[in-house]
Amino acid sequence: TQLLEQSPQFLSIQEGENLTVYCNSSSVFSSLQWYRQEPGEGPVLLVTVVTGGEVKKLKRLTFQFGDARKDSSLHITAAQPGDTGLYLCAGARGNEKLTFGTGTRLTIIP
Amino acid sequence: EAQVTQNPRYLITVTGKKLTVTCSQNMNHEYMSWYRQDPGLGLRQIYYSMNVEVTDKGDVPEGYKVSRKEKRNFPLILESPSPNQTSLYFCASSRGPPYTQYFGPGTRLTVL
Repeated sequence: TQLLEQSPQFLSIQEGENLTVYCNSSSVFSSLQWYRQEPGEGPVLLVTVVTGGEVKKLKRLTFQFGDARKDSSLHITAAQPGDTGLYLCAGARGNEKLTFGTGTRLTIIP
Repeated sequence: EAQVTQNPRYLITVTGKKLTVTCSQNMNHEYMSWYRQDPGLGLRQIYYSMNVEVTDKGDVPEGYKVSRKEKRNFPLILESPSPNQTSLYFCASSRGPPYTQYFGPGTRLTVL
């Protein structure tokens, strides 16, 4: 059973556009991480959110943790080709292992 | 430089021929994991280790073995590979299960 569903699964947009990807669950998580994976490499952590309603910004990327800590979103402003990659969310419940989402494959067209 | 290394990066083999994928980390992490990544299924944990000589099954352990004789190394063993084990494999290390996972570069395995 996949506890974390990400949408959309694939997204292809023009450079300069804005986009939002979603990570949804019916379970409550104590924290949620977002990773980016580039071709030929392993996932790399972008951010961790731990408080319901928390918003974190990383340059043009804005991450939000839902008030109920069941969902999260990643918004990218003015997307650039360097943003291309697979975006993975991962939820933690207490001291249990991370549960990874299904991933959103993002392509930014120059 | 803090890193997780895996070898080989690419491997093509035939059904039934035993193989080992090595993993090593230099961050003194106690927790290490193996994942497989398949399209549409995300990352699924195969095995994990909380410390030396302590290993346990993840979500998809069938057909795999691991060992943790030293803190830095966590090899993945496929004793009799089958085509359904064709996948992209990642080793990861961390200071604990819910914390930031540091991933290796991946091993793309094809079993014919």
